[in-house]
Amino acid sequence: NAGVTQTPKFQVLKTGQSMTLQCAQDMNHNSMYWYRQDPGMGLRLIYYSASEGTTDKGEVPNGYNVSRLNKREFSLRLESAAPSQTSVYFCASSEMGDRVDGYTFGSGTRLTVV
Amino acid sequence: AQSVTQLGSHVSVSEGALVLLRCNYSSSVPPYLFWYVQYPNQGLQLLLKYTSAATLVKGINGFEAEFKKSETSFHLTKPSAHMSDAAEYFCAVNSGRGRRALTFGSGTRLQVQP
Repeated sequence: NAGVTQTPKFQVLKTGQSMTLQCAQDMNHNSMYWYRQDPGMGLRLIYYSASEGTTDKGEVPNGYNVSRLNKREFSLRLESAAPSQTSVYFCASSEMGDRVDGYTFGSGTRLTVV
Repeated sequence: AQSVTQLGSHVSVSEGALVLLRCNYSSSVPPYLFWYVQYPNQGLQLLLKYTSAATLVKGINGFEAEFKKSETSFHLTKPSAHMSDAAEYFCAVNSGRGRRALTFGSGTRLQVQP
């Protein structure tokens, strides 16, 4: 039972380069999320997708774009990486309805921008 | 608006001692509250959640949390710490219907001394 799978696990980018972080879930969840984790700041929401075909900005969307490719996949793109985007990125999914369930998280992507 | 404050970025206890991790929330509507645990180099794992049923919530690994509306608190406790409890703990809030994503606190790193 894979849950939420993120690729790659590690990445080093040069300033200005672009890349896409991939996320896929196999739990038939409707909602998916991208968070970044920085020391002392907890997790901050970048973008989320409440259901297939919809995406919304979170707390820190600048410098990122997302695509909800289908119900399973939700990718995060950095068009022109900056050192401030050095972080650990987590994808999560949940089954949302009138009740709120906990999220299932992936194991994270550790990104360094030099 | 919703927010979470975790008091104490680092907590150190002796093995066998009581664990108390503090979380206070702000929410304009009755909240859903969560505690997550993160072991080194891993994603976040759900410990327990409060969704307006019993105010005392029991979770995995012997942890529990009590929702106190008058104090806007949701503190996490465990009667007797184990070495394996050493990890980072995050409190999170969601203000329910219409609010689509969790807001996380900044985290508390728990150290367990032998």
